[in-house]
Amino acid sequence: EAGVAQSPRYKIIEKRQSVAFWCNPISGHATLYWYQQILGQGPKLLIQFQNNGVVDDSQLPKDRFSAERLKGVDSTLKIQPAKLEDSAVYLCASIPVQGALGYGYTFGSGTRLTVV
Amino acid sequence: AQSVTQPDIHITVSEGASLELRCNYSYGATPYLFWYVQSPGQGLQLLLKYFSGDTLVQGIKGFEAEFKRSQSSFNLRKPSVHWSDAAEYFCAVARSYNTDKLIFGTGTRLQVFP
Repeated sequence: EAGVAQSPRYKIIEKRQSVAFWCNPISGHATLYWYQQILGQGPKLLIQFQNNGVVDDSQLPKDRFSAERLKGVDSTLKIQPAKLEDSAVYLCASIPVQGALGYGYTFGSGTRLTVV
Repeated sequence: AQSVTQPDIHITVSEGASLELRCNYSYGATPYLFWYVQSPGQGLQLLLKYFSGDTLVQGIKGFEAEFKRSQSSFNLRKPSVHWSDAAEYFCAVARSYNTDKLIFGTGTRLQVFP
């Protein structure tokens, strides 16, 4: 089966600009996650979707970050305006359905964002 | 709050040597525990997981981990390291099966010398 697809792989922007990342999870996976991985740290959850609904966005900086999953399939994460501290790898992951943690997440390769 | 500690930021071993990567967690009940590996420029790949039952779990690529409740630990081991094992290793914990949210440690970078 195809894995979790993410694009772009790399992005360099200036601070205060906006940027968007795209994720297409494994076909049929209802639960989708966005994680932020700052250099030297472990991934941190930003937002969790179940189909097209938000389950947990408590760690999402909502003044500048937004995410959507309108049709319950692919998802977009946006940052506007970007700050230097947003430089990180943004990872998308999916599992078949909420409560299916036993399967383990399937992660995409990530988008590496550099804000200059 | 849950937390995961990986005390070793960087470990260097010779190829063929044994390996143990440490992981300690903080959580009152029995957590769900995971080890992931991340090669440069790649996403995270699940090595193994512990939910219940036998405290010694086997994973892919010859890795195993042992859950020790008394020490709040879930250390990852491999008897003989290969050069291809060089990567970053993350321990993670979930509070419950239904919560799904993983809390990751800061990772241990493994370097393997020939």
